[in-house]
Amino acid sequence: DAGITQSPRYKITETGRQVTLMCHQTWSHSYMFWYRQDLGHGLRLIYYSAAADITDKGEVPDGYVVSRSKTENFPLTLESATRSQTSVYFCASKDRGAGETQYFGPGTRLLVL
Amino acid sequence: ILNVEQSPQSLHVQEGDSTNFTCSFPSSNFYALHWYRWETAKSPEALFVMTLNGDEKKKGRISATLNTKEGYSYLYIKGSQPEDSATYLCAPNQAGTALIFGKGTTLSVSS
Repeated sequence: DAGITQSPRYKITETGRQVTLMCHQTWSHSYMFWYRQDLGHGLRLIYYSAAADITDKGEVPDGYVVSRSKTENFPLTLESATRSQTSVYFCASKDRGAGETQYFGPGTRLLVL
Repeated sequence: ILNVEQSPQSLHVQEGDSTNFTCSFPSSNFYALHWYRWETAKSPEALFVMTLNGDEKKKGRISATLNTKEGYSYLYIKGSQPEDSATYLCAPNQAGTALIFGKGTTLSVSS
């Protein structure tokens, strides 16, 4: 019963490379989210998805692409990584309903050289 | 994108002190308000989800209140302990939208 997992947990890449961060949840939650953690900004929303094949931009979507072909997976792709995308990335999921809790994955620490 | 304000940005208290933080958010189209506890090098952990005006929630020494009409929530910690040291985040959301987090209040408790 893993809940919500992210892979890889740590990644080092170079500027200009394409990188995909994976997120998988076992609860069949409708909503999934990607956030990045930055000093002075806290958690900022990159993209979210209300259901399979439905995605929406968040606060900082530029440079990122998402897809959601299956309810349980929500990969985040950096098409051409830049140093400013060095961050810790958190995936989260939540079921529909006002009182539902949003659960976070363990995070992926990405370093772009 | 919702404008969420948390205050203070940080504070330092002694073990045994009680403390409280504020989360301010737009009161229009309110759906729910979430509080999280976030320890360094870990992922945020849910404390409370609050939906009704006047809601009060409690978990051990931590409690929270909600005023949806004026758009604020208070988080209280009674008798702070060193293990309470963390960043406390609030996140309101409107129906069908994502949680947008405030920058948090970072609490440091000295023994």
